[in-house]
Amino acid sequence: GENVEQHPSTLSVQEGDSAVIKCTYSDSASNYFPWYKQELGKGPQLIIDIRSNVGEKKDQRIAVTLNKTAKHFSLHITETQPEDSAVYFCAATGGSYIPTFGRGTSLIVHP
Amino acid sequence: DTGVSQDPRHKITKRGQNVTFRCDPISEHNRLYWYRQTLGQGPEFLTYFQNEAQLEKSRLLSDRFSAERPKGSFSTLEIQRTEQGDSAMYLCASSLSGSNYNEQFFGPGTRLTVL
Repeated sequence: GENVEQHPSTLSVQEGDSAVIKCTYSDSASNYFPWYKQELGKGPQLIIDIRSNVGEKKDQRIAVTLNKTAKHFSLHITETQPEDSAVYFCAATGGSYIPTFGRGTSLIVHP
Repeated sequence: DTGVSQDPRHKITKRGQNVTFRCDPISEHNRLYWYRQTLGQGPEFLTYFQNEAQLEKSRLLSDRFSAERPKGSFSTLEIQRTEQGDSAMYLCASSLSGSNYNEQFFGPGTRLTVL
């Protein structure tokens, strides 16, 4: 089955800095890669996703990149704000439409 | 608020008791998923329905767990003879088949504590 590794497990930045979270996956058949943000006491919320036929996607301060050859994808957050503090999960989805999640990155943005 | 609701939000029970959780998906979504999430982990897939049919179950879903979606709308997840290891957040998600790569919307979860 699919295996998704996510790093780092904790990321601490100053407000205004950039944050990068990296994930690798094992199944070359995976073709959809969503990123979720989970705040304390809430369910995960989809913030951005990327399909296998695209190398990069951007939405305001958030961008994702995908390298299918190397089987890795990354989340980039620029100009971080305290409200960006949360746990972020990457996931990889293949033909079964069931995502395999990474273990999460706790992002702390210090004001 | 994603439009997926779960009830209750918190449940404390004693070991050996049965518990049942409910999930109401986004109304037009035909797929419904159950996940379990423990501290420091990502959600782990348990089972999913397309309409009222349960199409896939994870090996994590022991015979003490059962899920139903009788009319293809809301779903229930029952855990019989709860064990301390069942303590976790139980998440429900829904999606629309044929949509953007099966984009899933999660509910707020039910946090189960087994004493």
